[in-house]
Amino acid sequence: EAQVTQNPRYLITVTGKKLTVTCSQNMNHEYMSWYRQDPGLGLRQIYYSMNVEVTDKGDVPEGYKVSRKEKRNFPLILESPSPNQTSLYFCASSLMGTDSYGYTFGSGTRLTVV
Amino acid sequence: EDQVTQSPEALRLQEGESSSLNCSYTVSGLRGLFWYRQDPGKGPEFLFTLYSAGEEKEKERLKATLTKKESFLHITAPKPEDSATYLCAVQSYTGRRALTFGSGTRLQVQP
Repeated sequence: EAQVTQNPRYLITVTGKKLTVTCSQNMNHEYMSWYRQDPGLGLRQIYYSMNVEVTDKGDVPEGYKVSRKEKRNFPLILESPSPNQTSLYFCASSLMGTDSYGYTFGSGTRLTVV
Repeated sequence: EDQVTQSPEALRLQEGESSSLNCSYTVSGLRGLFWYRQDPGKGPEFLFTLYSAGEEKEKERLKATLTKKESFLHITAPKPEDSATYLCAVQSYTGRRALTFGSGTRLQVQP
């Protein structure tokens, strides 16, 4: 089944403790992206990647890092999480980023930073 | 900067009561306008893509239309299973290929 898989689904952590949210897709997509979803603000792009080793900032990149060492994986790294990074995170992928269906989204990771 | 505004924020309908959701947008050059459905605890699920003014797409009880400034999602004779948040997003001709989303409309259909 074609899908984007994120882990974990839920995560509670403390301020300053480094964490990684994993994302993997099995569709051989070149374009991958991370979004966060907050009430009243909609989905906002954090980082994106056009291909292996090619990443760039989205609208809200502060406090986040990403890497793209393999085509299928695109982890999101929070080196020193803060409470304002409490949010619902989605990984998404697309063949070229301009596909007719937009993106395929993962099921989300709900992160709470205390 | 691309912007998307959706209204209303929330909508409660009786089963069978038709209505429309609005998506107003500003974009430098529209590559596509997308409608997604999002159920609680899940990722957005693709519904439609519209590319140019005058275009319409239909799927079961849903019909999406597009003008140069707005898109509408018409829901005809809704059922309780249509209850969800409906998201509108635009994509412009930028290198980033990002989707810019509205905040969504929470639809509740009561039996």
